[in-house]
Amino acid sequence: GEDVEQSLFLSVREGDSSVINCTYTDSSSTYLYWYKQEPGAGLQLLTYIFSNMDMKQDQRLTVLLNKKDKHLSLRIADTQTGDSAIYFCAERGGATNKLIFGTGTLLAVQP
Amino acid sequence: GAVVSQHPSRVICKSGTSVKIECRSLDFQATTMFWYRQFPKQSLMLMATSNEGSKATYEQGVEKDKFLINHASLTLSTLTVTSAHPEDSSFYICSARDRHSNQPQHFGDGTRLSIL
Repeated sequence: GEDVEQSLFLSVREGDSSVINCTYTDSSSTYLYWYKQEPGAGLQLLTYIFSNMDMKQDQRLTVLLNKKDKHLSLRIADTQTGDSAIYFCAERGGATNKLIFGTGTLLAVQP
Repeated sequence: GAVVSQHPSRVICKSGTSVKIECRSLDFQATTMFWYRQFPKQSLMLMATSNEGSKATYEQGVEKDKFLINHASLTLSTLTVTSAHPEDSSFYICSARDRHSNQPQHFGDGTRLSIL
């Protein structure tokens, strides 16, 4: 079945770059997404990429997609303490059109 | 601003009570809305897909009679947790997709349900 995996935790210093990685199994995925969740809150869409794209940049955020390896990454430049949150990648299944979420990565930014 | 409104944000009630959660799309029409459940420090688990004007599609293992879903209009879906028990305590999140767009789903702010 469809499966999306992420590393559980990442710690960086303020001002450094953060790279959060995600792997997925569904080769027919159409879109891949990155969401941010702060404590006790819902999900905030950060960015997304169509499956035929390799890279997308939006201000401090850069998404890289390696479709061959089914690997997605989110790079946050100049990481700030306000970026501390849980980050979820998600894929939109080609067959079902549903969103399948990764396990989430807790990003801790040290001042 | 928020494009999906979810209410209430927090509910605390006694065991046996039924609880209704609303999910509204504010400035777009949504033929499809989704209901998720999130346990502490875990990912989101899709419970059901709510279809306007027809029956919801439930994921495997989700009790239809326990979690009643109604999607009576293009801007409103409701989830009712019937005869709630402490094990139903969780964070419930809805999302909606604009029927006229291929844009991503927009999520509500979630409902923290605590059953005593």
